[in-house]
Amino acid sequence: SSELTQDPPVSVALGQTVRITCQGDSLRTYYARWFQQRAGQAPRLVMYGFDNRPSGIPDRFSVSNSGSTSSLTISGAQAEDEADYYCSSRDSGVNRVLFAGGTKVTV
Amino acid sequence: QVKLVESGGGAVQPGRSLKVSCAASGFSVRNFGIHWVRQAPGKGLEWLTFISVDGTHKEYTDSVKGRFTISRDTSKNTVYLQMNSLRSDDTAIYYCARDSRYGDLGEYDSWGQGTRVTVSS
Repeated sequence: SSELTQDPPVSVALGQTVRITCQGDSLRTYYARWFQQRAGQAPRLVMYGFDNRPSGIPDRFSVSNSGSTSSLTISGAQAEDEADYYCSSRDSGVNRVLFAGGTKVTV
Repeated sequence: QVKLVESGGGAVQPGRSLKVSCAASGFSVRNFGIHWVRQAPGKGLEWLTFISVDGTHKEYTDSVKGRFTISRDTSKNTVYLQMNSLRSDDTAIYYCARDSRYGDLGEYDSWGQGTRVTVSS
């Protein structure tokens, strides 16, 4: 099966922009999904598909996809964006799901 | 209101079994794929298994295949994870999650709050 890899932890100043990336062969076939997990909470979906946000997710979150890489951008980071972010996708050729190791974003 | 509530976690000795539950409300598990995802202490998310919309298709990650079994009871609108031959590295918070209706496998639009399983002698 494939695997997904993400950036190490990053810090961003309040109001600034941060981008985190996810790489893996499965992303050549399937879109990445991005989950946010705040401390002590369950994960929640923040981005999916080409560049889609679930209801309630602010538009400062966006995603771009190219080849085997997906990038999540937070434009104008807020204190409440401090969290672990996980990239995920369907595994190539099998009905399984992959998660990358996560990236901690500190604001 | 869509809700998933896990239960049944606890402390168990290595080699023993435990069954955790995921009770759904606000929707029918007949209409959505349901997955189990776990998170070991201080670690990332790990996908374990899913059961398809019609309940006939199940997949497992290699580390739990042959030890864990996913099932569902549509009359109780509940999905289960039977865990046998538990090991210390199965210690984690176990989450259930729902596939979005029109999305791809693993595009979770709802998660439970998790149930903690500790495997220790």
